Amino acid sequence: AQSVTQLDSHVSVSEGTPVLLRCNYSSSYSPSLFWYVQHPNKGLQLLLKYTSAATLVKGINGFEAEFKKSETSFHLTKPSAHMSDAAEYFCVVSEGAGNMLTFGGGTRLMVKP
Amino acid sequence: EPEVTQTPSHQVTQMGQEVILRCVPISNHLYFYWYRQILGQKVEFLVSFYNNEISEKSEIFDDQFSVERPDGSNFTLKIRSTKLEDSAMYFCASSQQGLIGNEQFFGPGTRLTVL
Repeated sequence: AQSVTQLDSHVSVSEGTPVLLRCNYSSSYSPSLFWYVQHPNKGLQLLLKYTSAATLVKGINGFEAEFKKSETSFHLTKPSAHMSDAAEYFCVVSEGAGNMLTFGGGTRLMVKP
Repeated sequence: EPEVTQTPSHQVTQMGQEVILRCVPISNHLYFYWYRQILGQKVEFLVSFYNNEISEKSEIFDDQFSVERPDGSNFTLKIRSTKLEDSAMYFCASSQQGLIGNEQFFGPGTRLTVL
């Protein structure tokens, strides 16, 4: 069975500093991995996805993530945080038939001016 | 840009009452999903739906739950007799394809409160 662990429930950074949101997964097979973001009163929006192509994946708004099979990790990074990045971020894995998604617990990113 | 919509945004009901949560998926999508998030817990998969049939369902999706696509645009989740533990945020999602790795587009959610 697949599972996802987001190591930090809250992360606080200053505007202009790097962002690192950590995610580890377990999966029986080669998984598809996603990062979704949720702003208040909005739906979950896809930031980026990994589907067994390049291990470094670039997404929207300057975010990227690196798939490391040896570490079973898929950490999300951004070189310079912006105030508008403040939101909840979910690491998600899809495996098996039906494209059922399994979510991590979420990380709330706070950006200080 | 097309988006998934859900109504109502907040539903309050008494325990034992039936509720219907409504979703309008993106118009050319063929695969539909419901997820829920109980306060303080993870987002959990409930059910997937394709070609007017349930494709996959979780253990949570018991006989109290049902899904329907009553017309060409709506996708509904019905809870027949609500329990206190059904209080959660319910998210609808849709995708063009049902294969692994295909993006699911999510609605903003319906917050269900059972009193």
